[in-house]
Order: sequence, then structure tokens, then C-alpha cells
Amino acid sequence: QKEVEQNSGPLSVPEGAIASLNCTYSDRGSQSFFWYRQYSGKSPELIMSIYSNGDKEDGRFTAQLNKASQYVSLLIRDSQPSDSATYLCAVTSGSARQLTFGSGTQLTVLP
Amino acid sequence: EAGVVQSPRYKIIEKKQPVAFWCNPISGHNTLYWYRQNLGQGPELLIRYENEEAVDDSQLPKDRFSAERLKGVDSTLKIQPAELGDSAVYLCASRDGGSSYEQYFGPGTRLTVT
Repeated sequence: QKEVEQNSGPLSVPEGAIASLNCTYSDRGSQSFFWYRQYSGKSPELIMSIYSNGDKEDGRFTAQLNKASQYVSLLIRDSQPSDSATYLCAVTSGSARQLTFGSGTQLTVLP
Repeated sequence: EAGVVQSPRYKIIEKKQPVAFWCNPISGHNTLYWYRQNLGQGPELLIRYENEEAVDDSQLPKDRFSAERLKGVDSTLKIQPAELGDSAVYLCASRDGGSSYEQYFGPGTRLTVT
């Protein structure tokens, strides 16, 4: 069983819509949660981090964490074609806080 | 502030040849990571350094891979000999060792083994 699960997609949304990306993790002791954006041929770029239950907003991005359900999500409001990328969910666990990545969800925002 | 620097960006080699990748982390970042990313997958950790000490190399295929981080700053990852299955993107990341655990990635080296 993979430790971090994401729907691989592709997920397509029209421009201006809300894109919802989901991630579940298996280690109940996980402490830190991150969303990375990766454009094709580029390296992962950190866009959001969240450490406690609830919502965290940064511009058009909102990260949501529910530790009881072992679930973390990323909402992108007013989606733009420039948001088209693969979004990687990453979770730290263990005393070394090792980062484990999901396989990513490919998002396409249609003009 | 400069980001994580890696070189080369691309490398094509024949199987059984050696190859080396170099990484310079963000200034002041004590923790350095090497990851490997295969197509369609998330990055997978190969090795983690705290300063100059390799504290987690359990995922590093030690028969052919080696790494070093002399003086606790830049680092080199080596493969010798390379195999076809080593074709991937090799990513270096760094963290400042504080409580945020946020890692920042370099541009990566895309390795193709023919």
C-alpha cells in the first residue's frame, strides 16, 4: 500500500473554476503536509505547507487538512491556464520527518 | 537569495559508464537531500545529509551509487556503472534545519542511459 495516495488524473477544469486536488496518507503520525507544483520538464516547486487541522489560505490557493480522516486537499480558486501542471502531495513522518510524495495529479485548466 | 543549483542539467551516457551529479544547496541550509524521480512518479529519497553526515542512506543502491558532502556544503552523487534503469531525473533539495521542514528543490539532472 502506497503511503501517500493521489488521484493521477488527468483533472480538467475550465478557466475560472475551482480545482480540487485530494490526497490521503497512511501514517497517522504524520506531522507536516505540503503541496508542490511541477510543470512539465521542471522540478517541484513548493506552493503550500500546512501543519494543523483546518484551512490555510494563500492567494488563490487553500490547503485543507483533516488528520482524523488522514486527508489533505488543495483548492485552487479562479483557475488559470498557467495553473496547468502536476500537483504533488508530500507528507513527513517519523522522527527524521522524511518526506514521502504521492505520484501527483495532473491538472489541465482549459481556456 | 539563490536557489539550489545543480549541474549538469542533462546527461546522456552509455550503460556501464560512470556519471556524477553536483549540487549546491541554498546558503545556510544544513540539510541536503538527493531524490530520484521516474516519469509519472513522485520523487523518492536516495540519501539525506545533515551537514556533512549521511544520516539516512537506506534507499541508496550502494553497489553502484555513492555520495559525498565534503565540508557540509555542496554534494556529489555518483553512479558507477550506470544501468538502463537508472534513467531518471535526479533532484537535489535542501532545508534550513529549522522546524518548518520545507524542502526546496533544484532544477534537477535528467539522466538518460542508452
